[in-house]
Amino acid sequence: IAGITQAPTSQILAAGRRMTLRCTQDMRHNAMYWYRQDLGLGLRLIHYSNTAGTTGKGEVPDGYSVSRANTDDFPLTLASAVPSQTSVYFCASSAHSGGAGTDTQYFGPGTRLTVL
Amino acid sequence: AQKITQTQPGMFVQEKEAVTLDCTYDTSDQSYGLFWYKQPSSGEMIFLIYQGSYDEQNATEGRYSLNFQKARKSANLVISASQLGDSAMYFCAMRERETSGSRLTFGEGTQLTVNP
Repeated sequence: IAGITQAPTSQILAAGRRMTLRCTQDMRHNAMYWYRQDLGLGLRLIHYSNTAGTTGKGEVPDGYSVSRANTDDFPLTLASAVPSQTSVYFCASSAHSGGAGTDTQYFGPGTRLTVL
Repeated sequence: AQKITQTQPGMFVQEKEAVTLDCTYDTSDQSYGLFWYKQPSSGEMIFLIYQGSYDEQNATEGRYSLNFQKARKSANLVISASQLGDSAMYFCAMRERETSGSRLTFGEGTQLTVNP
């Protein structure tokens, strides 16, 4: 069982280019999340999806879009990358989305993105 | 106001000694959950321990325990018998009870170094 996979592992991107970060989970979790991690700021939520077909905005959604066509995949798209989007991006998933109980989030290995 | 505050950017501990990593939180919800994650230098986010706001006993997982003081709104992580492999960044996170999912708010993290 792989858990959560992310691709690419790292990427250098020219400003203005479009980029999609991929995330796939094999745990049949309902909820999925995208975070960015910046030094001194911890992890901040970009977008989330409580279940296939639904998405929502997190703390820092501007410049990013997501889709959730099925349970397993949750791609994150940067329509026109800017240098401030240089960061490490983590995808996560959890079994439920109702806020009850533990509902632990499990994280993928991350994608290191550099926008020049 | 910060929802999760970790006041110790860096901590040092001798191998085999115990160490406490501080975390305070701010919420008006009665039902919430507190999490600790470990991020080693390799970058992955590893779930360590969970405490629910209604749990009467402090959570424990092996060498990890959570010192939960609800009135003080603190959820400190205690690592007993530190090992060299415990050197990592540690993040405290909170899930507030929301109808829209299980989103986490993270603190800025504490870098723990275990000295031989």
